[in-house]
Amino acid sequence: QQQVKQSPQSLIVQKGGISIINCAYENTAFDYFPWYQQFPGKGPALLIAIRPDVSEKKEGRFTISFNKSAKQFSLHIMDSQPGDSATYFCAARGGYSTLTFGKGTMLLVSP
Amino acid sequence: SQTIHQWPATLVQPVGSPLSLECTVEGTSNPNLYWYRQAAGRGLQLLFYSVGIGQISSEVPQNLSASRPQDRQFILSSKKLLLSDSGFYLCAWNSLRNYGYTFGSGTRLTVV
Repeated sequence: QQQVKQSPQSLIVQKGGISIINCAYENTAFDYFPWYQQFPGKGPALLIAIRPDVSEKKEGRFTISFNKSAKQFSLHIMDSQPGDSATYFCAARGGYSTLTFGKGTMLLVSP
Repeated sequence: SQTIHQWPATLVQPVGSPLSLECTVEGTSNPNLYWYRQAAGRGLQLLFYSVGIGQISSEVPQNLSASRPQDRQFILSSKKLLLSDSGFYLCAWNSLRNYGYTFGSGTRLTVV
C-alpha cells in the first residue's frame, strides 16, 4: 500500500517556539500534499496544502516546505501557541483524489 | 455553502449486531465521497470511496460495506460487527474544483 511516513509521533514545544513536523512519501504520482489539524473528538480540518511544483507555501504562522527530489515535505508552525495543541496529519493525494495519511503527530504547546 | 452531516456522533453496539452510518452532503452536486476509519496511533485509513451514484471502491477487504443510493448520500454498513470494528469513522467529500477534503464530525463506534 502506498505510504506516507510522518514524524515525530509526538512533540512538545514551548509557547512562542517553532513546531516542525516531517513527512516522506514514496509514490511520485502523488500530486497534492495537504496538512490537516484535528482536535479531540472532531474531524480533521484542512490547514494548508501544497502542490509539488512549489517548494514553499506560507499562510500566516504555518509554512509547508516541499523537497520533490527527496520526496519529503514538512510543516513549520511559527510562534506556536497553546491553541495550536492538536494532532496534525500530513497526506498525499493519489488516484480518484484519495488521500493517504501519515499516522499523525500529537503537538502540545506548553504555556 | 457546502456542509457535510454525519450521524450518529457516538454508538455502542454489541458484537454480531448490524451497523448503519449515514453521511450526507449539502450545497454541491456529484461530490466524491469517502469513508475513513481512525484507530488510535494508526492515522486515517481509507475504507471506501465513491465517484458517483452506485459506484463504490473498496480499499481494504473487511467486515464492512458501503453504498451510495443518492448523489449526496453515503452509507457505511455491516451485517455483523466485530470487536475490531471499533474506531472513529469519518466521512469526507471533495469535488473536482476542490483539492482538499472536508470531513464530517465523525462517529465514535465502540463494539462491546
